[in-house]
Amino acid sequence: GAVVSQHPSWVICKSGTSVKIECRSLDFQATTMFWYRQFPKQSLMLMATSNEGSKATYEQGVEKDKFLINHASLTLSTLTVTSAHPEDSSFYICSARDLQGYNSPLHFGNGTRLTVT
Amino acid sequence: GDSVTQMEGPVTLSEEAFLTINCTYTATGYPSLFWYVQYPGEGLQLLLKATKADDKGSNKGFEATYRKETTSFHLEKGSVQVSDSAVYFCALLIIQGAQKLVFGQGTRLTINP
Repeated sequence: GAVVSQHPSWVICKSGTSVKIECRSLDFQATTMFWYRQFPKQSLMLMATSNEGSKATYEQGVEKDKFLINHASLTLSTLTVTSAHPEDSSFYICSARDLQGYNSPLHFGNGTRLTVT
Repeated sequence: GDSVTQMEGPVTLSEEAFLTINCTYTATGYPSLFWYVQYPGEGLQLLLKATKADDKGSNKGFEATYRKETTSFHLEKGSVQVSDSAVYFCALLIIQGAQKLVFGQGTRLTINP
């Protein structure tokens, strides 16, 4: 079946540094990828919608200059957390839908646990 | 706006017990509805879905029926197993625009042998 690979699975960084998270669709093409953030014992909150070849659409309250999203190809989207702070520590999950249309399921990556010290 | 409300957890049951996890939604239009499962240490996996009213999604012994009149999509299983221990998320798909998934808060289920 369709696989979404997310890398790294976990990362620890120092406050003030930037971290890049990759999301790849391995056996299908995805014009749209979604980035979610999951706080402990809470639901997934959509951060932004990433469209191949265009600017990402951010949800209300998400700082676009802090969470940079690039969707350069039909199989890769990246999320860069710039100047990370401890409050950015969270579980980040990407998902992708293949080109078949809205009724095709979303495929999720296994997530990236970010810890900022 | 569009939202999903799930039964608060955690839920703890004995093996072979009957399971219900309630889910209700608020949406404009006619969303598709989903249940996702997140096993310990893993990402989300689609468990089942229903795309229109009165549809029943089923998988691995789990079932949920899309009830438009009560705006609900409750998850049920007749006899749970220890391996069903996970976090379950109800979600709706907003079809307009970017077709975003909106998730409920998740329900942690623990099954004891």
